[in-house]
Amino acid sequence: AQSVSQHNHHVILSEAASLELGCNYSYGGTVNLFWYVQYPGQHLQLLLKYFSGDPLVKGIKGFEAEFIKSKFSFNLRKPSVQWSDTAEYFCAVTGFKTIFGAGTRLFVKA
Amino acid sequence: DTGVSQDPRHKITKRGQNVTFRCDPISEHNRLYWYRQTLGQGPEFLTYFQNEAQLEKSRLLSDRFSAERPKGSFSTLEIQRTEQGDSAMYLCASSLFVGLAKNEQYFGPGTRLTVT
Repeated sequence: AQSVSQHNHHVILSEAASLELGCNYSYGGTVNLFWYVQYPGQHLQLLLKYFSGDPLVKGIKGFEAEFIKSKFSFNLRKPSVQWSDTAEYFCAVTGFKTIFGAGTRLFVKA
Repeated sequence: DTGVSQDPRHKITKRGQNVTFRCDPISEHNRLYWYRQTLGQGPEFLTYFQNEAQLEKSRLLSDRFSAERPKGSFSTLEIQRTEQGDSAMYLCASSLFVGLAKNEQYFGPGTRLTVT
C-alpha cells in the first residue's frame, strides 16, 4: 500500500537548535517528493521539492532535504531554527496521485 | 492575487443539508485537486481533474460527494445529505501538469465545513 510516514508528530526546539524531521514513504515507481509548510492561520505552501538529479535539495528559508532512495526517505533539515519556523510540516509523495504524511507540528521557543 | 481561491472559507450546515464549495485554480493550470483534511492529519486525496476530465476518485469519495469542472477552469465539490463525519477542511490545489515529473501543486486556503 502507498503510504507516507512522518516520524514525529510534535517537536519542540529552542531557537538556534538544529532541526531534522523524518519522512519515509512506500510507493512503487517513480515519485516526486515534497515538503509543504503550513504557518498558523495560513494555507499550505511548498517548502521544497525533489524531482530528479542531486538528492540534496534546498528550499526556501534555509531548509534542505535529502532524498535517500535506498532508505525510501526524504528528511527535512535546517541547521538553525527561528521562532518564525513554528508551523506544521507535511511530507508528500506524488506518483499518479499525491499522498501526504500526517504532519509534524514544530514549536520553536524564543 | 493569482493564487488558488476557494469559496466559502467557512460553512456551517445542519446534518442532512447539501453544500457546495467552489475552487478557482491558477488560470494556466490544467490540473485541479480536491483534498480533505481533518485535525491532526495530512490532506487526504479525494479526486482530481485534468482540464474538464475527472481522472481519479478516492474510495473516500462516497456517492454523496460529487465534483465537477465543467469548462476546465473552476471546480465545484458538492456534498449531499451531509453527516457530522463530513466536518473537515476541504482543500483545493492546482498544478501545471507537463508529464509525471514536476507536478507541483499550489493550495488554496480551504473551506472549513462544520456539520451540526
